[in-house]
Amino acid sequence: NAGVTQTPKFRVLKTGQSMTLLCAQDMNHEYMYWYRQDPGMGLRLIHYSVGEGTTAKGEVPDGYNVSRLKKQNFLLGLESAAPSQTSVYFCASSYWGVDETQYFGPGTRLLVL
Amino acid sequence: AQSVTQLDSQVPVFEEAPVELRCNYSSSVSVYLFWYVQYPNQGLQLLLKYLSGSTLVKGINGFEAEFNKSQTSFHLRKPSVHISDTAEYFCAVTAGGGADGLTFGKGTHLIIQP
Repeated sequence: NAGVTQTPKFRVLKTGQSMTLLCAQDMNHEYMYWYRQDPGMGLRLIHYSVGEGTTAKGEVPDGYNVSRLKKQNFLLGLESAAPSQTSVYFCASSYWGVDETQYFGPGTRLLVL
Repeated sequence: AQSVTQLDSQVPVFEEAPVELRCNYSSSVSVYLFWYVQYPNQGLQLLLKYLSGSTLVKGINGFEAEFNKSQTSFHLRKPSVHISDTAEYFCAVTAGGGADGLTFGKGTHLIIQP
């Protein structure tokens, strides 16, 4: 049982490049989330999903897109990376109603030059 | 919408001393409250949570927190800290249902001094 895993762990991009961050969970959780963490800002919700095929915007969605084609995977895409997207990205999942806890992955550190 | 205020960005404490990390929240509806800990270069780990019932909640690693609805607070306490408690601590809130994610405070860095 790996819990929540994230790929890659670290990435450097140039401004304008695109990339996809992958989050996978093996706990059969319905809900999945993407957060970004910036120094002194705590974590802020980017997008979330309440089930396969559904996505919704969080607090800071601009510049990001997401997809949930399979229940266990939640992808975060940056179509045209900007330096302001330099951050640490965390994925989380939960099974609300059974265990009201969000389980977090180890994070992806992204540097946009 | 909810908001969370962690009143101290840094708290230095001597080893074996007690500590309290403060958290206040704002919400127009009933909320669920959480404390998470983040060790350096790691993800977040749940310390404890308040969903309903007893207002004193016990968590892992000897931590506890008390929900005070009238003060809209959820302060985290430990009677005796260890060097291994050095970490970033986050208070978080959600209005229930779980669908709309957590709203986090900005974090408190707990620094344990020998």
